[in-house]
Amino acid sequence: DAGITQSPRHKVTETGTPVTLRCHQTENHRYMYWYRQDPGHGLRLIHYSYGVKDTDKGEVSDGYSVSRSKTEDFLLTLESATSSQTSVYFCAITRAGGPTDTQYFGPGTRLTVL
Amino acid sequence: GNSVTQMEGPVTLSEEAFLTINCTYTATGYPSLFWYVQYPGEGLQLLLKATKADDKGSNKGFEATYRKETTSFHLEKGSVQVSDSAVYFCALLLYNFNKFYFGSGTKLNVKP
Repeated sequence: DAGITQSPRHKVTETGTPVTLRCHQTENHRYMYWYRQDPGHGLRLIHYSYGVKDTDKGEVSDGYSVSRSKTEDFLLTLESATSSQTSVYFCAITRAGGPTDTQYFGPGTRLTVL
Repeated sequence: GNSVTQMEGPVTLSEEAFLTINCTYTATGYPSLFWYVQYPGEGLQLLLKATKADDKGSNKGFEATYRKETTSFHLEKGSVQVSDSAVYFCALLLYNFNKFYFGSGTKLNVKP
């Protein structure tokens, strides 16, 4: 258990509304990530952060923004949700840099955009 | 580019059968390799890993060997159980960029 929580765990929203997902960690890890999981695509990286206020884009960042104002919190925002953003979203952290590093995942947030 | 390719599922086996799930990778650097498992409704959990060529990762009866010459990291288990039913993901880490790349996942169904 890497002390990662995600909120909400489930959300249903309507097209065009803003949505914010929260990832919270308790162990002060530097690197945090947001992925989405869709059938046939596995996990795809949306955004990641390598420190407070330091973020970068992943392979599927369009339509998403992130913020990290504190080490423990990494927020993912859908500015105007679309049906194509219906997915399961996972937050992850890595504990240390280097070849032995391992990624640890939160429990996921299931988002449905109607 | 960097990518991971896994065999498509679902894979359906009877209990106590031998399991192989193939994984090959393409990487611009010298990656570390991982297998993760995802049970229904949960996040991914680390199953095993290997950080250099010829290393063998093992855990809970599962094994995988880092084969640099064939760029592969196949997952094996000698005798599967119903409780092994899950989705398995192969992944690579380019640690100098702190980026992970995941395969698309292989669903395993084990029947009693």
